[in-house]
Amino acid sequence: GAGVSQSPSNKVTEKGKDVELRCDPISGHTALYWYRQSLGQGLEFLIYFQGNSAPDKSGLPSDRFSAERTGGSVSTLTIQRTQQEDSAVYLCASTKLLQQSDTQYFGPGTRLTVL
Amino acid sequence: GENVEQHPSTLSVQEGDSAVIKCTYSDSASNYFPWYKQELGKRPQLIIDIRSNVGEKKDQRIAVTLNKTAKHFSLHITETQPEDSAVYFCAATVGYAGNMLTFGGGTRLMVKP
Repeated sequence: GAGVSQSPSNKVTEKGKDVELRCDPISGHTALYWYRQSLGQGLEFLIYFQGNSAPDKSGLPSDRFSAERTGGSVSTLTIQRTQQEDSAVYLCASTKLLQQSDTQYFGPGTRLTVL
Repeated sequence: GENVEQHPSTLSVQEGDSAVIKCTYSDSASNYFPWYKQELGKRPQLIIDIRSNVGEKKDQRIAVTLNKTAKHFSLHITETQPEDSAVYFCAATVGYAGNMLTFGGGTRLMVKP
């Protein structure tokens, strides 16, 4: 079936502009995660949605970052007043959260470049 | 919170040799340890995972071992092939709870033909 999809695949923006990144999880997956991967670095957790519970925002680096998940499916990550240090690949993952299955499936990512 | 350390950061082996990547974790509550392979410009792909109720798991040329007492786990790739060249990430989380993964810093594996 269809995997996790993200759009856009690439985004170039000017410092100070706002950007929105979109994630479509695998159908039926109840949990959705956003991670950030800076050039040559590991993956850094940003935010996590599970069902109708309040999201875990503990990984968001500043209040310029926010995310929402509408209807328990699609999620949008918004970065306001972008800075050059926000340049990274933003990866979304989803999982079904069944016992014995915590596998997180990743999307292809959005490469954000802030000039 | 959880902290995962991964070594080495780069590893170069000759085709046919074995490769071993090691990770340590800090949170004794972690019970799910996946390994992801990421080829250049592509998404991370799960290659193997292990839960804390087992000490070893094998899938063809790939195996993972877990030492809960020492809080470390390792990825073993035997008979390496050039297509194994990629960045490998270990991760840890408290499974069954849907918690976020805490990743190691990654290991760039290069398999020379």
